[in-house]
Amino acid sequence: QSALTQPPSVSGSPGQSVTISCTGASSDVGSYNRVSWYQQPPGAAPKLIIYDVSDRPSGVPDRFSGSKSGNTASLTISGLQPEDEADYYCCSYRRTSYVFGTGTKVTVL
Amino acid sequence: QVQLVESGGGVVQPGGSLRLSCVASGFIFSNYGMHWVRQAPGKGLEWVASIWYDGTNEYYADSVKGRFTISRDNSKSTLFLQVDSLRSDDTAVYYCAKRSTAGTPYSFDYWGQGTPVTVSS
Repeated sequence: QSALTQPPSVSGSPGQSVTISCTGASSDVGSYNRVSWYQQPPGAAPKLIIYDVSDRPSGVPDRFSGSKSGNTASLTISGLQPEDEADYYCCSYRRTSYVFGTGTKVTVL
Repeated sequence: QVQLVESGGGVVQPGGSLRLSCVASGFIFSNYGMHWVRQAPGKGLEWVASIWYDGTNEYYADSVKGRFTISRDNSKSTLFLQVDSLRSDDTAVYYCAKRSTAGTPYSFDYWGQGTPVTVSS
């Protein structure tokens, strides 16, 4: 059950946009619109920010958006804010199991 | 508001066992599938196990199959994870997570604060 591939880190200045990729396979990301994204600040539990590829839970700012093309999902943070500095993980359903991404550290310069 | 509170973690020798618990409140526990997810020190998230809302089906990661058992007591709104034959690579913070209410049930919308498990001699 190998992890989905994410870049280790991305960075941007406040107000800029950053995009995190999440590459899987035809058996997970490519097969299902069941990709979710989680934000994890240092020392805290993960928080759901995107579900079903592109839907946002209530209360999550609309600067967070998700998309998918083939076996790769993406999370875009538009108008980066200092409080967005955290680790981000994608996750895909994979036929009775789940696989997380390797994680990406977002740094706000 | 939804709350998930884990307990039962600790330091255990290789080959030992623990029973982790997660007490839920703020939602109808018996209506939702539940999950355990772990995070080794300095590492990423790893899905461990899932159980249906009524306990009739359980699913496990290959890395824990045959050693871990997920269960639930809906009368007490409590989720469990029995962890046996522990190895050093099971050292992690163990989170319980609730199946999402919105959209399809394939994401985790609430997480507990985690309970740490350390396997060491």
